[in-house]
Amino acid sequence: RKEVEQDPGPFNVPEGATVAFNCTYSNSASQSFFWYRQDCRKEPKLLMSVYSSGNEDGRFTAQLNRASQYISLLIRDSKLSDSATYLCVVNEGGTGGFKTIFGAGTRLFVKA
Amino acid sequence: NAGVTQTPKFRILKIGQSMTLQCAQDMNHNYMYWYRQDPGMGLKLIYYSVGAGITDKGEVPNGYNVSRSTTEYFPLRLELAAPSQTSVYFCASRGSGVNGNTIYFGEGSWLTVV
Repeated sequence: RKEVEQDPGPFNVPEGATVAFNCTYSNSASQSFFWYRQDCRKEPKLLMSVYSSGNEDGRFTAQLNRASQYISLLIRDSKLSDSATYLCVVNEGGTGGFKTIFGAGTRLFVKA
Repeated sequence: NAGVTQTPKFRILKIGQSMTLQCAQDMNHNYMYWYRQDPGMGLKLIYYSVGAGITDKGEVPNGYNVSRSTTEYFPLRLELAAPSQTSVYFCASRGSGVNGNTIYFGEGSWLTVV
């Protein structure tokens, strides 16, 4: 089982649509969680952190369920500029050190 | 505000040649990472370091070496380059502590082995 697994995608949606991405992680000792965005031929950049209480930033909402080891990202009112790859990211702690593990990413295409 | 700086940005190597990808960060971060990303694929961890003098293997360490003599620098060495090492390489860093620490990336190094 992969340490961090995401929906394979790609997702093709029209402008204005709501789209949800899912992610699961295998290490129950994982301690912090993020969503990153990666544009084509660019480095990944932080989109938002994910907290147990859930958090929202404009059109983006992130949720964490520690019991199910599940993370989600919801994008409302999709824009053309949202087209990118979305990466689920997990910081693992414990005796193995603080590794940062990336999911393979889910590609989103928003079309006019 | 430089953040994470990688050099070179582009490089073409011949099979069997060696080279070092340089990475520097000016944020006094303890944790540094090297990832590779093949076309259309996700990031794979090559090596990481939790502080000066400490390095550890990631998911795909074969064919690479690293060193961390100072907090700022984390070079990645490719010995005997092979076509399978054609990829984009990203260096990254983040601060200490567990919760809510952002990982910062360099702009990437595009490497082609021919």
